[in-house]
Amino acid sequence: QLQLQESGPGLVKPSETLSLTCTVSGGSISSSSYYWGWIRQPPGKGLEWIGSIYYSGSTYYNPSLKSRVTISVDTSKNQFSLRLSSVTAADTAVYYCARHIHRAVAGTGIYNWFDPWGQGTLVTVSS
Amino acid sequence: SYELTQPPSVSVSPGQTARITCSGDALPKQFAYWYQQKPGQAPVLVIYKDTERPSGIPERFSGSSSGTTVTLTISGVQAEDEADYYCQSADSSGPRGVFGGGTKLTVL
Repeated sequence: QLQLQESGPGLVKPSETLSLTCTVSGGSISSSSYYWGWIRQPPGKGLEWIGSIYYSGSTYYNPSLKSRVTISVDTSKNQFSLRLSSVTAADTAVYYCARHIHRAVAGTGIYNWFDPWGQGTLVTVSS
Repeated sequence: SYELTQPPSVSVSPGQTARITCSGDALPKQFAYWYQQKPGQAPVLVIYKDTERPSGIPERFSGSSSGTTVTLTISGVQAEDEADYYCQSADSSGPRGVFGGGTKLTVL
């Protein structure tokens, strides 16, 4: 059974860089069928897709965050990581990693969803 | 930017049917997906490709699509179904995600 686990500091100072890692177990991050994504949720608010990466290193980012986001992958460790620079209090959120299924099937359409998700980790931006 | 619109809240009594809608201009061209999120927990996929139900999800959860609106229907609502529900789709063919604002389902 595929499992994902986020890790990283729970407190980041304003203007610094937030760094999180997602460790994948029960399956290979190098599978050609999947992307790997980051999603966040500010306290009491909704979900926001941050970006996704393919095992080859191809990345796709939310345009609203693109200038500050870097997602990378380490296939040897079965991990992928998120870096968000110049953080402010508005970046305080629970950060989730998830497997991102994206597939074009001829005659059917394009599939594009997130499953499963990690348990999430709260990152607070505060001095 | 592309948006998916959901009602902020829906309330039903136990045993009744709950319907949660999600509207977006790209929905006629893109599949929709639904997630259930209970307090303090990660979202869980309950419907994929508009109408498909993952294994382990109760049969009372179903999805439908009509034009620019998709609907999550929960038949015979139970107290354990009280949660936030999010729709998700994409505005293009790339591996991107767009989420609706979420709907809080209250079981009276």
